[in-house]
Amino acid sequence: SQQGEEDPQALSIQEGENATMNCSYKTSINNLQWYRQNSGRGLVHLILIRSNEREKHSGRLRVTLDTSKKSSSLLITASRAADTASYFCAVIQGAQKLVFGQGTRLTINP
Amino acid sequence: DAMVIQNPRYQVTQFGKPVTLSCSQTLNHNVMYWYQQKSSQAPKLLFHYYDKDFNNEADTPDNFQSRRPNTSFCFLDIRSPGLGDAAMYLCATSSPGLAGTYEQYFGPGTRLTVT
Repeated sequence: SQQGEEDPQALSIQEGENATMNCSYKTSINNLQWYRQNSGRGLVHLILIRSNEREKHSGRLRVTLDTSKKSSSLLITASRAADTASYFCAVIQGAQKLVFGQGTRLTINP
Repeated sequence: DAMVIQNPRYQVTQFGKPVTLSCSQTLNHNVMYWYQQKSSQAPKLLFHYYDKDFNNEADTPDNFQSRRPNTSFCFLDIRSPGLGDAAMYLCATSSPGLAGTYEQYFGPGTRLTVT
């Protein structure tokens, strides 16, 4: 069953603006991961946040996790054209398996 | 420097003609995964290996099979490709990592076209 649901499905902003994507999930987790996928390529791991963490930063990325609401958000600050990609959240289901959300397609306009 | 390699990057096959996609890794990870991804959709797990243990997803069609002859290599066999099997096929690897995080490393994918 679908674990991660993402919102919005598509987001288009101007270069330099901030982009926020949201993810909701259904069951208890011990971590939540965010991945980026450039068009026609494989996915790249961006950041992992554990269930006992509320916020995590990596460069221009900020991830928050609210386990009471079963939701997470990914904020990209000062967006660049190179940030144009699809972004997926993923949670572990069972052992070793990640289940991905439907993704947010982010377009950064110059 | 490549860590997860997929060959070929683009594969064209005919309807019903068996095709094999390959994946290799230099990370020495225990777990290898095969995903199918159709346009604008999330990757869908087909199966994965933990070492030699094979784990099939319940909804993976019988038309799809996999082999993992050693730690480094994993193959996806599509016995009789149909038009609906045209997709990007992604290979990924992981290991338990700290506290079982299973961060995954993906290859660049193989784009399969069925004519």
